[in-house]
Amino acid sequence: QLQLQESGPGLVRPSETLSLTCTVSGGSITSSNYDWGWIRQPPGKGLEYIGSIYYSGSTYYNPSLKSRVTMSVDPSKNQFALRLSSVTAADAAVYYCARCPPTSRDGFDVWGQGKMVSVSS
Amino acid sequence: QSVLTQPPSVSGAPGQRVTISCTGSSSNIGAGYDVHWYQQLPGTAPKLLIYGNNKRPSGVPDRFSVSKSGTSASLAITGLQAEDEADYYCQSYDSGLSGFWVFGGGTKLTVL
Repeated sequence: QLQLQESGPGLVRPSETLSLTCTVSGGSITSSNYDWGWIRQPPGKGLEYIGSIYYSGSTYYNPSLKSRVTMSVDPSKNQFALRLSSVTAADAAVYYCARCPPTSRDGFDVWGQGKMVSVSS
Repeated sequence: QSVLTQPPSVSGAPGQRVTISCTGSSSNIGAGYDVHWYQQLPGTAPKLLIYGNNKRPSGVPDRFSVSKSGTSASLAITGLQAEDEADYYCQSYDSGLSGFWVFGGGTKLTVL
């Protein structure tokens, strides 16, 4: 059974860079035609798609965050990562990694449990 | 501000039928892209509830169904049960400026 697990610091200082890693288990990140993505949820608010990456390294970022987002992938470790620079209080959220839909007819079918990231000095 | 608009809350008594709406625009739902729905229980990750044309992942009862018309979609829950109390999110694809996955702001379902 495919499982995803987020890891990384739970506290980031304002203006610094948020870094999270998602480890995929129960399957290979290179198998099938899936992108791997990040979605966040500020406390008490809705879901926001951050971006996604294919195992080859090709990426797609939400235009609203594009200038601050970098994603990378390490197929040898079955991991992909998120970096969000110049964070502010508005970036405090639960960050989820998820398997992206292969087409617009599909949904995000596998999610990590989420990692709460706070922004404070 | 979410790209897809949902009511903040809905409620219903056990056994009743409730619907949750999801309104988009001509670049997402109105363009014919499928709408998918997620259920989020408190403190947990969203779970895919219904996708595509009324497709349900294994284990999701057929009490949950969806419909779509124009730039809107709806999730219907019949035979409401206490365990249905959760937050529900709609999601679609947007072919706007750059095209990407978009979500609704979420609807809190309260079972009275």
